[in-house]
Amino acid sequence: GNSVTQMEGPVTLSEEAFLTINCTYTATGYPSLFWYVQYPGEGLQLLLKATKADDKGSNKGFEATYRKETTSFHLEKGSVQVSDSAVYFCALSGVSNFGNEKLTFGTGTRLTIIP
Amino acid sequence: DGGITQSPKYLFRKEGQNVTLSCEQNLNHDAMYWYRQDPGQGLRLIYYSQIVNDFQKGDIAEGYSVSREKKESFPLTVTSAQKNPTAFYLCASSIGSGLETQYFGPGTRLLVL
Repeated sequence: GNSVTQMEGPVTLSEEAFLTINCTYTATGYPSLFWYVQYPGEGLQLLLKATKADDKGSNKGFEATYRKETTSFHLEKGSVQVSDSAVYFCALSGVSNFGNEKLTFGTGTRLTIIP
Repeated sequence: DGGITQSPKYLFRKEGQNVTLSCEQNLNHDAMYWYRQDPGQGLRLIYYSQIVNDFQKGDIAEGYSVSREKKESFPLTVTSAQKNPTAFYLCASSIGSGLETQYFGPGTRLLVL
């Protein structure tokens, strides 16, 4: 079945550092890929998405490229800020083994940025 | 403003009690979902509904029940059969099926007294 494997956290970086959070997936067919962000005590917000191979999703300085050859969707940001501290979830949507469509999440990566 | 609202923000349950979590959306979305989030884990799907008066079990439906009588509402009942209900519950909606982007509410934290 479909699965998402994320880089384990927590990740702690200094402000203005470069960020990479790794995400790889296993899926049948051609899933869409997502990054969601969760700030403390809140629900999830869509950060970016990509719907087909080689697509690059981007938002708020974050980027991720849909790499079908390596089944990856790594999240990157060139210069992080304290306000980026949150939990980041990689997810894919596709057809499950039971024929229905569903969203499959990774376990989340907690990011803390120190000034 | 369009969005998803969940209430209450915090909910306390006594042993043997059923409790209901509210989820309302004014995005005119057909599909709605309930997820459970435990510390250090990803989100797990409890139930989902692709259309009014229809819903399907997700991966961890035991001990939960739902209804979908109106397009904008998808309440979740945590029954006494759910032995470990303490978690953060998230409701989401999407325009259509699971391939569409899902939009999430702010969540309800359920605690057992």
